[in-house]
Amino acid sequence: GAGVSQSPSNKVTEKGKDVELRCDPISGHTALYWYRQSLGQGLEFLIYFQGNSAPDKSGLPSDRFSAERTGGSVSTLTIQRTQQEDSAVYLCASSPRSGTDTQYFGPGTRLTVL
Amino acid sequence: GESVGLHLPTLSVQEGDNSIINCAYSNSASDYFIWYKQESGKGPQFIIDIRSNMDKRQGQRVTVLLNKTVKHLSLQIAATQPGDSAVYFCAENIMGYQKVTFGTGTKLQVIP
Repeated sequence: GAGVSQSPSNKVTEKGKDVELRCDPISGHTALYWYRQSLGQGLEFLIYFQGNSAPDKSGLPSDRFSAERTGGSVSTLTIQRTQQEDSAVYLCASSPRSGTDTQYFGPGTRLTVL
Repeated sequence: GESVGLHLPTLSVQEGDNSIINCAYSNSASDYFIWYKQESGKGPQFIIDIRSNMDKRQGQRVTVLLNKTVKHLSLQIAATQPGDSAVYFCAENIMGYQKVTFGTGTKLQVIP
């Protein structure tokens, strides 16, 4: 079956512009996670969804970052007024239910802010 | 240009040798641990997991060891192959909670 997909795979934008990143989780997975991975570094937790609600937004770096999930499926991560330090790979993962379920990752979106 | 981030620790291993990748986890309340493998240009992929009521678990060519006393986790790969070259992350979780915390990762280089 289809895995987690993310789009676009690459995004180059100018400083100050808004960007929207999309994640399509595995069908039926109720938990969805967003992470950020900077060059040569580990995964930084941003936010997770259980269904359409986001109980934990503690990882969002600033109020320029927001995320939503609709219909318990697709999620979008929006970054407003992008800054150069936002350049990173943004990874999405889904799991059947909870943190103790295996997380299945998408290939990521590489964001470059010029 | 793009800023240079911290370099990941790197482990270089001869093909056919065994590899041991170590991880120190942060939360003594964590009771579920996972190892992920990330190949270049791809998202992390699950390798093996272990719950805190165990101190060892074996998979195919991989073994995870857990030492809760010192909050240490290790991944052993037997007969390392070129295809094992990747970045390996440990992750911790408290069962019943959604958030999974990832370690910084170790880059494994297999020398043919």
